[in-house]
Amino acid sequence: GESVGLHLPTLSVQEGDNSIINCAYSNSASDYFIWYKQESGKGPQFIIDIRSNMDKRQGQRVTVLLNKTVKHLSLQIAATQPGDSAVYFCAEGSVTGRRALTFGSGTRLQVQP
Amino acid sequence: DVKVTQSSRYLVKRTGEKVFLECVQDMDHENMFWYRQDPGLGLRLIYFSYDVKMKEKGDIPEGYSVSREKKERFSLILESASTNQTSMYLCASTAGPSNQPQHFGDGTRLSIL
Repeated sequence: GESVGLHLPTLSVQEGDNSIINCAYSNSASDYFIWYKQESGKGPQFIIDIRSNMDKRQGQRVTVLLNKTVKHLSLQIAATQPGDSAVYFCAEGSVTGRRALTFGSGTRLQVQP
Repeated sequence: DVKVTQSSRYLVKRTGEKVFLECVQDMDHENMFWYRQDPGLGLRLIYFSYDVKMKEKGDIPEGYSVSREKKERFSLILESASTNQTSMYLCASTAGPSNQPQHFGDGTRLSIL
């Protein structure tokens, strides 16, 4: 069936480095994508979203890139900090449809001091 | 900010019990969702609701039911709890079903003994 997946289950980076978390999606009808951050003991927290009419969107220290040709989504975190340590999920949905979001299984980001 | 409140952070019940998990949101969102989260499996949708008294099955509805009598409240019911329902349960709400970010509660960690 359709699914959202992640290439790396765990990513370890040094503090101050840039982090890149990847996500592959398979539903070609998806045109809305979200990245979430989940810290231990908390629910997922919205980070940034992007619609398929864009290739790139920037937030505060984060950038989401969308490559519709290969159905790939990435989250870039600049100058990674210890507080960025968490599990990151991508999710896909539809701007016009009514189906619920589909979530990936998550990548754990570990920031080494 | 949107506030999604789940009534219990931790809950321990026995096999065969009827279990109620409550979720309340304060942003007048039409759409509410129940997920379970298990290691390596990510977020799996159990049920969702687009409006009061309306419900739709998600990916894993078996063994669960829901109730949406008021717009702000969405209840998940385990009709006869089983040990394989031990999990983290997350509630979410959003103004749009799949074209806007979902806002999550902090989860209920349910253990069935």
